[in-house]
Amino acid sequence: SQQGEEDPQALSIQEGENATMNCSYKTSINNLQWYRQNSGRGLVHLILIRSNEREKHSGRLRVTLDTSKKSSSLLITASRAADTASYFCATDHRRDYKLSFGAGTTVTVRA
Amino acid sequence: NAGVTQTPKFQVLKTGQSMTLQCAQDMNHEYMSWYRQDPGMGLRLIHYSVGAGITDQGEVPNGYNVSRSTTEDFPLRLLSAAPSQTSVYFCASGAPTRGLFSYGYTFGSGTRLTVV
Repeated sequence: SQQGEEDPQALSIQEGENATMNCSYKTSINNLQWYRQNSGRGLVHLILIRSNEREKHSGRLRVTLDTSKKSSSLLITASRAADTASYFCATDHRRDYKLSFGAGTTVTVRA
Repeated sequence: NAGVTQTPKFQVLKTGQSMTLQCAQDMNHEYMSWYRQDPGMGLRLIHYSVGAGITDQGEVPNGYNVSRSTTEDFPLRLLSAAPSQTSVYFCASGAPTRGLFSYGYTFGSGTRLTVV
């Protein structure tokens, strides 16, 4: 069963604005990962945050993790048209390497 | 180029036919997995392998078989195709260190399968 649930399902923003999407999960995790999928392509790993970390940055990406609320957020700053894609969170709950994916947030960046 | 290679990219099958989706990685990753992606449902795990000779079922294994005779290859077999197996299939690989992932999975570009 899916563990991660992204919110919102879809997001439309103007180029240069920030985009924020959230992920909630149900059971404790080892780590949480965010992926991007461009239309018709495979998923690309963006960032991994461990259960003992609260915030990570990678370029224009900022990820936070609140294990008490079982939630994470992905912030994309100064968005570009190339950021138009679907974004998925994936949770690693046990040491068996299986990832559970949410249904994703579709982000559209308008020029 | 290093990565995960999936073949074919597109396939149309008739109900009842069988076929094998190929997946190969050249990164010496221990872990490989197969997902299917359906609209609005994200990715669901079909089967996975933590090393050559070791496979296990995921969330939706029925109608699919896998084997892992080498580190590089992880083929997915559809035994008797059904319209419900129409989907996009993704293979992924990863390299956990001491039981933990430091990096994410590497995904292939997918196989779009239609069963008529």
